[in-house]
Amino acid sequence: AQKVTQVQTEISVVEKEDVTLDCVYETRDTTYYLFWYKQPPSGELVFLIRRNSFDEQNEISGRYSWNFQKSTSSFNFTITASQVVDSAVYFCALSEERSSRQLTFGSGTQLTVLP
Amino acid sequence: DAGVIQSPRHEVTEMGQEVTLRCKPISGHDYLFWYRQTMMRGLELLIYFNNNVPIDDSGMPEDRFSAKMPNASFSTLKIQPSEPRDSAVYFCASSPTTGGGGYTFGSGTRLTVV
Repeated sequence: AQKVTQVQTEISVVEKEDVTLDCVYETRDTTYYLFWYKQPPSGELVFLIRRNSFDEQNEISGRYSWNFQKSTSSFNFTITASQVVDSAVYFCALSEERSSRQLTFGSGTQLTVLP
Repeated sequence: DAGVIQSPRHEVTEMGQEVTLRCKPISGHDYLFWYRQTMMRGLELLIYFNNNVPIDDSGMPEDRFSAKMPNASFSTLKIQPSEPRDSAVYFCASSPTTGGGGYTFGSGTRLTVV
């Protein structure tokens, strides 16, 4: 069965600090997809990134970067030079291509960036 | 594309009343999902459809909950009778055939049962 674990429930940083959100996953499929979503205080779920299991290249998008390591089943998310607007709940999620199409979410990490 | 459209955005109802939540997926997406978000249980899948057919409804909490997808552009989630513990945010999402296509979520319906 697929499972996503986000051990950090809450993180608080001061503006301009770097912060890394951890995500560990479990799956039996060889083909799967990993996602990060942001949920700001307004409540919507905002898509950030999708990676497939065959692409372990790290990705950078502005101040955001993602580190995918199959050897440790981790897909960590780093925000560089954090800003107050980054304050939100961040969810890591997993979907399997063959066995189940459902998107399984971690419990989320509440990030608070203080001015 | 207007994205996944959910209605209503907010619903307040009295215990025992019937509640119907609506979702219009993105055109061309073959999969539709209903999720519920609560503080206690986080984001949990209730049911999902493929080509309008329910595939997995194991997440539906009990018989009070039912979901339908009469056509490719419309789905409903109905709770009858509603109870205070059903209070949550309900999200609808759609996805194209392949998992790599990503999942697009609607804005959610915040349901309060008093």
